Amino acid sequence: DQQVKQNSPSLSVQEGRISILNCDYTNSMFDYFLWYKKYPAEGPTFLISISSIKDKNEDGRFTVFLNKSAKHLSLHIVPSQPGDSAVYFCAASANNYGQNFVFGPGTRLSVLP
Amino acid sequence: NAGVTQTPKFRVLKTGQSMTLLCAQDMNHEYMYWYRQDPGMGLRLIHYSVGEGTTAKGEVPDGYNVSRLKKQNFLLGLESAAPSQTSVYFCASRTGRQPQHFGDGTRLSIL
Repeated sequence: DQQVKQNSPSLSVQEGRISILNCDYTNSMFDYFLWYKKYPAEGPTFLISISSIKDKNEDGRFTVFLNKSAKHLSLHIVPSQPGDSAVYFCAASANNYGQNFVFGPGTRLSVLP
Repeated sequence: NAGVTQTPKFRVLKTGQSMTLLCAQDMNHEYMYWYRQDPGMGLRLIHYSVGEGTTAKGEVPDGYNVSRLKKQNFLLGLESAAPSQTSVYFCASRTGRQPQHFGDGTRLSIL
C-alpha cells in the first residue's frame, strides 16, 4: 500500500496561471516533506521542503502548504512557466523511518504557452 | 563540481547476465541510496547505506546486492539479470536530514 500518493498522473496549465500539485500521505509519523522536480533523462532535483511544525513554506514562485489533520500537502507554482514542465515527486520521511524518504508516483506537469 | 555520478548511462543485458552499476559522490555524504523508477510507481528504494561498510535493504531488494567499501562509492550488482529488472536506476546521496542529491540515472534493458 502506497504511503505517499499523488492521485493526478498529469496536469496541464496555461502559462502565467497557477499550478497546484497535490500529495496525500497515510503515515502519521511523517514529519518532513519534500518536492522534487524531474526533467527527462535527468535525475530528480530538490525543489522545496516543509517540516511538520509549519503549515506553509515559500520560495520564490513555489509555495508548499501542509495540512497535517488531512495528511495532505500541495505545491503551488505561481506564475507557471513553460520551463516548469516536468514530473514532480512528493516525498516524506519520519524520524523513526531510518531517515529514508518515501516517494509518491509523480505528477507530470505541462505548462502550455 | 560533479555531485553524484552514475556509470554507465545505458546498458542492454541478456537474461542471466550479471553487471554492476557504479555510483560515485564527491560531497562526503554519509548516506547513499539506490532507487529504481518504473512508470506509475515513482521511485522505489532498493538498498541504502548509512556509512562506509554498511548496507541495508529497502523496499524492493530482491535480485540485487550492494557494497560500500569506500565512502564515496556505492555499487549495485545484478547477479542474474531478469526482464523484470528493466528500469531506470537512480543513485542518491545526502548528509544529515538534508534533501538527497540524485545522479542522472542508468537506463537498463534486459532482454
